[in-house]
Amino acid sequence: GNSVTQMEGPVTLSEEAFLTINCTYTATGYPSLFWYVQYPGEGLQLLLKATKADDKGSNKGFEATYRKETTSFHLEKGSVQVSDSAVYFCALSDLRAGNMLTFGGGTRLMVKP
Amino acid sequence: DSGVTQTPKHLITATGQRVTLRCSPRSGDLSVYWYQQSLDQGLQFLIQYYNGEERAKGNILERFSAQQFPDLHSELNLSSLELGDSALYFCASSAGTGDEKLFFGSGTQLSVL
Repeated sequence: GNSVTQMEGPVTLSEEAFLTINCTYTATGYPSLFWYVQYPGEGLQLLLKATKADDKGSNKGFEATYRKETTSFHLEKGSVQVSDSAVYFCALSDLRAGNMLTFGGGTRLMVKP
Repeated sequence: DSGVTQTPKHLITATGQRVTLRCSPRSGDLSVYWYQQSLDQGLQFLIQYYNGEERAKGNILERFSAQQFPDLHSELNLSSLELGDSALYFCASSAGTGDEKLFFGSGTQLSVL
């Protein structure tokens, strides 16, 4: 079946540091890949997505590239802010699995001033 | 604000009881999804409805059931509650059933004592 594995947190960084959150996936077909973000007390929000190999999703300074050869979709940001503190979820949807989102376990990011 | 409304925000009940969680999707969205978020299981897909019909089923226990009404709001019924059912239950909605963006509500925190 489909699965998503992401690095365990918490990840603690100082403001303006470089961020990488690793995400790898297993899927039987050709999934679309997503990063969702959950701010404290809120539901998940779509941060970015990529639908095919070598696509790069980007939003609010965050980027992730769909790497089929390494089955990865790592999230990066060049300079984090305190307001980026949240839980980040990597996810995939696979047409063969009914397009349901399969989520990773989430990675908590804490950015200190 | 995602436009998805979940009530109640918090629910405290005892083992063996039954509760109903309610979700109103974004205006115009036909699909409703239910997810369970717990510390040990992460974010698990439970069930999806599209325009009143069950569309997909995930890791939903037999003690749990859901439905989507003609006005498109959905209810998740949890019965014979156990301590392990304590979790954050999210509802999400989308326009259709394909690979599009999901909008999440802020969740119902269920505590079973």
